[in-house]
Amino acid sequence: NAGVMQNPRHLVRRRGQEARLRCSPMKGHSHVYWYRQLPEEGLKFMVYLQKENIIDESGMPKERFSAEFPKEGPSILRIQQVVRGDSAAYFCASSPPDRSAYEQYFGPGTRLTVT
Amino acid sequence: AQSVSQHNHHVILSEAASLELGCNYSYGGTVNLFWYVQYPGQHLQLLLKYFSGDPLVKGIKGFEAEFIKSKFSFNLRKPSVQWSDTAEYFCAVHGNGNKLVFGAGTILRVKS
Repeated sequence: NAGVMQNPRHLVRRRGQEARLRCSPMKGHSHVYWYRQLPEEGLKFMVYLQKENIIDESGMPKERFSAEFPKEGPSILRIQQVVRGDSAAYFCASSPPDRSAYEQYFGPGTRLTVT
Repeated sequence: AQSVSQHNHHVILSEAASLELGCNYSYGGTVNLFWYVQYPGQHLQLLLKYFSGDPLVKGIKGFEAEFIKSKFSFNLRKPSVQWSDTAEYFCAVHGNGNKLVFGAGTILRVKS
């Protein structure tokens, strides 16, 4: 059973470009979470999604950031018009529907660098 | 709002030394508590978790943690560290809602 997959692992974007980060949850997992880790800080929750639904986006910046988890395919975290402050590691986690309160399995992360 | 505080950002130990990493959380309700480890270049892995029952929790690789409700603490311990324990350790709480709230992390370096 493959773990949580994220791609790309490293992404370099110039200021003003768009960044798309993908997350494929573990097989059988229908809950996806995105977290951001800034340098010298712990992971900060961004958004919690189930298939075709955003459940909690209380950690998402109000502008430029969006997330989706379509019926088919991976979850996408999209950052429009990136700025230097968006440089961070973005982690995705997934959990099965009946244990979302108990266990989240993390992917390897995508390291975004904005130049 | 929930928060998690890890007392030390950097810890350096020699092999065979004992380890204790502090973690305090702020949340008055029922909590689920976790310690995650991130080895260099790898993703977060779950070390151990506490949901209920025995407050002394055993995890993988010889780690354990003790939940002390009165102190809002969940400290991580290992009697004798190895060079391979060099990693960053994160305490997290899962309380209100499904999100995890993480501490800032403790970077442990074990000298061989």
